[in-house]
Amino acid sequence: DAKTTQPNSMESNEEEPVHLPCNHSTISGTDYIHWYRQLPSQGPEYVIHGLTSNVNNRMASLAIAEDRKSSTLILHRATLRDAAVYYCIPLYNFNKFYFGSGTKLNVKP
Amino acid sequence: AAGVIQSPRHLIKEKRETATLKCYPIPRHDTVYWYQQGPGQDPQFLISFYEKMQSDKGSIPDRFSAQQFSDYHSELNMSSLELGDSALYFCASSLAGALYGYTFGSGTRLTVV
Repeated sequence: DAKTTQPNSMESNEEEPVHLPCNHSTISGTDYIHWYRQLPSQGPEYVIHGLTSNVNNRMASLAIAEDRKSSTLILHRATLRDAAVYYCIPLYNFNKFYFGSGTKLNVKP
Repeated sequence: AAGVIQSPRHLIKEKRETATLKCYPIPRHDTVYWYQQGPGQDPQFLISFYEKMQSDKGSIPDRFSAQQFSDYHSELNMSSLELGDSALYFCASSLAGALYGYTFGSGTRLTVV
């Protein structure tokens, strides 16, 4: 399974953009990259996923490096409700997610 | 929109007792996954079911068992409970694998005393 490296924590100001990095240098060519977030005492929530191209949805954007060894989740305008632990997870064999140690995002008002 | 329903939300059991957690997936989802999240830890994959058959197994203790029923709901049975089993247990469901992501339930908080 692909291993990931994310910063333990990051801090942002409200209404500013946030770039959450993830290194996944051992990812295989068919592993999709998924991002989930988990608010305190809640189940993880799907954010976005992609394979090779950059992706956008209503929640965030995902920028994937050309060599696919890293990706960046972009929250365009952080709000207090975006404070959560963000997990970058390569999807192994289209089958299941192994959660590593994510990034705890703190948003300051 | 319908979500993944887990019951109960909270459960308190004594050591060596048995607990049963239930999960009702999103309608038409064919795959169910169970995760355990200890205090301050990341979710750990336990087991999954596809079309009522066990499809994968993670770090699930032998004291735990699970199944998926004909109506696609799933139950996680935990016997001989230990203090270390105290955790949040999440169920997730998906359609045709995990490619398009999972939807997680709100979890069951199990406390073993």
